[in-house]
Amino acid sequence: ELKVEQNPLFLSMQEGKNYTIYCNYSTTSDRLYWYRQDPGKSLESLFVLLSNGAVKQEGRLMASLDTKARLSTLHITAAVHDLSATYFCAVAQYSGGGADGLTFGKGTHLIIQP
Amino acid sequence: NAGVTQTPKFQVLKTGQSMTLQCAQDMNHNSMYWYRQDPGMGLRLIYYSASEGTTDKGEVPNGYNVSRLNKREFSLRLESAAPSQTSVYFCASSFRAGGYTFGSGTRLTVV
Repeated sequence: ELKVEQNPLFLSMQEGKNYTIYCNYSTTSDRLYWYRQDPGKSLESLFVLLSNGAVKQEGRLMASLDTKARLSTLHITAAVHDLSATYFCAVAQYSGGGADGLTFGKGTHLIIQP
Repeated sequence: NAGVTQTPKFQVLKTGQSMTLQCAQDMNHNSMYWYRQDPGMGLRLIYYSASEGTTDKGEVPNGYNVSRLNKREFSLRLESAAPSQTSVYFCASSFRAGGYTFGSGTRLTVV
């Protein structure tokens, strides 16, 4: 059974600081996703990581994947208040018949204070 | 471009009542999914459908049924709602090995 663990689950930080969210998963997978969710909203896709060593960056967010360690990180550089949200990592697992269900971590609730 | 459309957006049910959550996608995706989101739990897969006419159980299927009516539509039915089914429900669709698109969610309260 695939398990996905995120840490920390809650993070309060100041604007301008850097921080990293970690996502560990228990079994081999070929795809890892990062999502952002604002309160009361749906999930917004941030990154799709497909191979070992993959690194993707968008603005102040950078995601990386180490498939050997079964670890992905989401790094926040010089945080700004607008990045306050809940961030989820999710790992794809072949569910049969061509479908790939996602197994989600519990999410990291990020608050960025001025 | 609507993407994934879910209806209704909000619903309050009494224990024992039944209802169907509707989901439709216009992206010609083969696979569709139903997830529930509870505080502190992330999203958990209820049922999925790899293609029209096929459905399979996910992690938390008890108390639910699904129908893949055609390639566009995938509905989730609660036959006898229970307070434990109070949650936010998300429908999603995808291509094999591709990105996932999520609907806006249905916030369900069972009293």
